[in-house]
Amino acid sequence: GNSVTQMEGPVTLSEEAFLTINCTYTATGYPSLFWYVQYPGEGLQLLLKATKADDKGSNKGFEATYRKETTSFHLEKGSVQVSDSAVYFCALMEYGNKLVFGAGTILRVKS
Amino acid sequence: GAGVSQSPRYKVAKRGQDVALRCDPISGHVSLFWYQQALGQGPEFLTYFQNEAQLDKSGLPSDRFFAERPEGSVSTLKIQRTQQEDSAVYLCASSVSKGGGAYNTGELFFGEGSRLTVL
Repeated sequence: GNSVTQMEGPVTLSEEAFLTINCTYTATGYPSLFWYVQYPGEGLQLLLKATKADDKGSNKGFEATYRKETTSFHLEKGSVQVSDSAVYFCALMEYGNKLVFGAGTILRVKS
Repeated sequence: GAGVSQSPRYKVAKRGQDVALRCDPISGHVSLFWYQQALGQGPEFLTYFQNEAQLDKSGLPSDRFFAERPEGSVSTLKIQRTQQEDSAVYLCASSVSKGGGAYNTGELFFGEGSRLTVL
């Protein structure tokens, strides 16, 4: 079945450091890929998405590129801020509306 | 309100009790989803409604779990005879899209969840 694997956290960085959170997926077809973020005390919200190979999703300084050859969708940001501290979930959608999530990666940014 | 609203936010139940969790989606959203999130894990799909029709309930873990959305708006997830393994956060999400193919943008709007603890 479809699955998503994320790097384990927590990831702890200093402000302005470079961020990478790895995500790889297994799917039978050609899924759409997503990053959702959950800030403390809030619900999950869509951060960015890509619907086909080589697409790059971007939002709020975060980027991720859909790599079909490596079945990956790694999340990157050039300079993190304290306000980026949250839990980040990689997800895929192949059929209908069913999102399949990874386990989540906690990001802590210290000033 | 502007977002997806869930109640109660916290529920403690004794093993064997029945519980009901409510979800109030964003007004006008056609699709509604329930997910279960165990501690330290990502959300796992339970069931999906398009308006009042339950189109997919493949993720419900047992026949003790039941969901309904009788008027195509508010939804209730009911768990009968709760067990300790039912302890989790139950997330509701809604989407304006009908879903499937080109109509599905994949953007789900999530509530803050209902945390269920079964003692």
